Amino acid sequence: GAGVSQSPRYKVTKRGQDVALRCDPISGHVSLYWYRQALGQGPEFLTYFNYEAQQDKSGLPNDRFSAERPEGSISTLTIQRTEQRDSAMYRCASSLTSGDSYNEQFFGPGTRLTVL
Amino acid sequence: LAKTTQPISMDSYEGQEVNITCSHNNIATNDYITWYQQFPSQGPRFIIQGYKTKVTNEVASLFIPADRKSSTLSLPRVSLSDTAVYYCLVGVEGRGSTLGRLYFGRGTQLTVWP
Repeated sequence: GAGVSQSPRYKVTKRGQDVALRCDPISGHVSLYWYRQALGQGPEFLTYFNYEAQQDKSGLPNDRFSAERPEGSISTLTIQRTEQRDSAMYRCASSLTSGDSYNEQFFGPGTRLTVL
Repeated sequence: LAKTTQPISMDSYEGQEVNITCSHNNIATNDYITWYQQFPSQGPRFIIQGYKTKVTNEVASLFIPADRKSSTLSLPRVSLSDTAVYYCLVGVEGRGSTLGRLYFGRGTQLTVWP
């Protein structure tokens, strides 16, 4: 079946603009995660959802960042008033939450955000 | 969360066995040890997870000593396509845990040469 998809794959924007990054998880996956990855670093946790409920947003850098998953499937990460320091690869992952098995996270290809 | 320490880089040749060791001195009783692999321009991919002793799957083996303060990922007979970054993660993940966030360090860049 299809994996995690993200759109757009590349986004170039000017400082001060708002951007919305979309994640379409694997069908049936309960949990959805957002990470940010800088060059040469591992992914940095931002936030995650179980169904439509945001479980943890402790990784969001500031209040310009927000995320939603209104119907428990597709999720949108929004960055308002973008700044150059927001430039990074934004990755989405999903996992099938179940009782006994390891909830392996499946990552999407990412959205490369460049803020000019 | 337990902090992990692993080498920044390693080199190997095709056909050799590669062992990447990760230190996690402050691992908690209910923490699992998980390894992810990341190829250039791709997202990380789960390789293996263990709690103690040895775990083996079709890709790798994971060795965990009794004190669990370190772990070793073993890749048998590597090929050029195993060139990637390998991340060691420690935390309450899996077995139905809802603490789903993963904390990645910088990982180990493994380069396999012909």
